[in-house]
Amino acid sequence: KAGVTQTPRYLIKTRGQQVTLSCSPISGHRSVSWYQQTPGQGLQFLFEYFSETQRNKGNFPGRFSGRQFSNSRSEMNVSTLELGDSALYLCASHIRGEQFFGPGTRLTVL
Amino acid sequence: QKEVEQDPGPLSVPEGAIVSLNCTYSNSAFQYFMWYRQYSRKGPELLMYTYSSGNKEDGRFTAQVDKSSKYISLFIRDSQPSDSATYLCAMSISGNTPLVFGKGTRLSVIA
Repeated sequence: KAGVTQTPRYLIKTRGQQVTLSCSPISGHRSVSWYQQTPGQGLQFLFEYFSETQRNKGNFPGRFSGRQFSNSRSEMNVSTLELGDSALYLCASHIRGEQFFGPGTRLTVL
Repeated sequence: QKEVEQDPGPLSVPEGAIVSLNCTYSNSAFQYFMWYRQYSRKGPELLMYTYSSGNKEDGRFTAQVDKSSKYISLFIRDSQPSDSATYLCAMSISGNTPLVFGKGTRLSVIA
């Protein structure tokens, strides 16, 4: 069974730009969560989607948004990028409480 | 006080050693406990998943949960250089709530 895929793997953007990251969950999984990983803060929860509905949201500003499509694929968007948004963005596909992570998208904001 | 505390290490051990990794937590509502392994520039890989208190064994890995002490452990027997990675503990209140992670412990197993 194929794992979680994330695209792109690497991104370089400049301050003020916006970015969209994509996640395809494991086949049959309807829940997708997004996390931000930085050296200083570790892994922090962004939001979770289940059947196209946001079920949980972390403590991030409104510049961070997401959505889920009917095929369970998910996207997250970050608008007006700041230097502090540089991080590894991880998507997790989950079922019955077990969360399986993709390889992540490494975003660098210059 | 952070919800989940984990010693960041680094921890360096010789090949074949028994490794003990630990996390403490403050929220007594946590019921699900996980250990992830993350290699450099990769996503976290789920190693162990346990519910409530008790032990779970999978090959060289044993996870222990002591809810009365709010303390979880991961033991690695006969450690190998390929075990060198960052180990993250994670926990959640239910199967439908977000994971809360420790900062991770960096482990090096020296051949």
